Amino acid sequence: TQLLEQSPQFLSIQEGENLTVYCNSSSVFSSLQWYRQEPGEGPVLLVTVVTGGEVKKLKRLTFQFGDARKDSSLHITAAQPGDTGLYLCAAQSRAGGYQKVTFGTGTKLQVIP
Amino acid sequence: DAMVIQNPRYQVTQFGKPVTLSCSQTLNHNVMYWYQQKSSQAPKLLFHYYDKDFNNEADTPDNFQSRRPNTSFCFLDIRSPGLGDAAMYLCATRGREGIQYFGAGTRLSVL
Repeated sequence: TQLLEQSPQFLSIQEGENLTVYCNSSSVFSSLQWYRQEPGEGPVLLVTVVTGGEVKKLKRLTFQFGDARKDSSLHITAAQPGDTGLYLCAAQSRAGGYQKVTFGTGTKLQVIP
Repeated sequence: DAMVIQNPRYQVTQFGKPVTLSCSQTLNHNVMYWYQQKSSQAPKLLFHYYDKDFNNEADTPDNFQSRRPNTSFCFLDIRSPGLGDAAMYLCATRGREGIQYFGAGTRLSVL
């Protein structure tokens, strides 16, 4: 069973601070997604990374896929209260002939004004 | 415009009283999923469909059933809800590019 470990599990920071969330596995993935989920809502896709070493930027968010495609990081610059939410990484694998998505353990971020 | 729509957004049921949650999609995706998510945890896969081909996760309780009458609609039936089944239930679809699209979820309370 593939496992995606996220760290930290919880993070509470002041507005304006920077932070990094990590997603690690012992398995190699063809692609990895990052989602943000706000309370009472479904996860919303932020980015998909495909190529080892790939870096993608989405405004203040920077996503990196590890060279070996086993890990990823999400860096937020100058965090704002609107960044508060549950951040989930997710990766795809094949199970019994079907594509299956495995979610990371999640990082709950709180940005205090 | 919402592409994966879940109804209702909030559902309250009584212990042991059957309940059905619904999901519809306008994306015409072949693959649909049902997840259970408890507070601040990652979503846990219950079932998925590839077209009408149904796949049950090994640890999904028998209390949970699902139906997919056509491409657009999918239902989650909980035959005898227990207190431990109170959670957010998420429906998702997956397109050819491999990306999942989630609905806003149904929060189920069991009294």
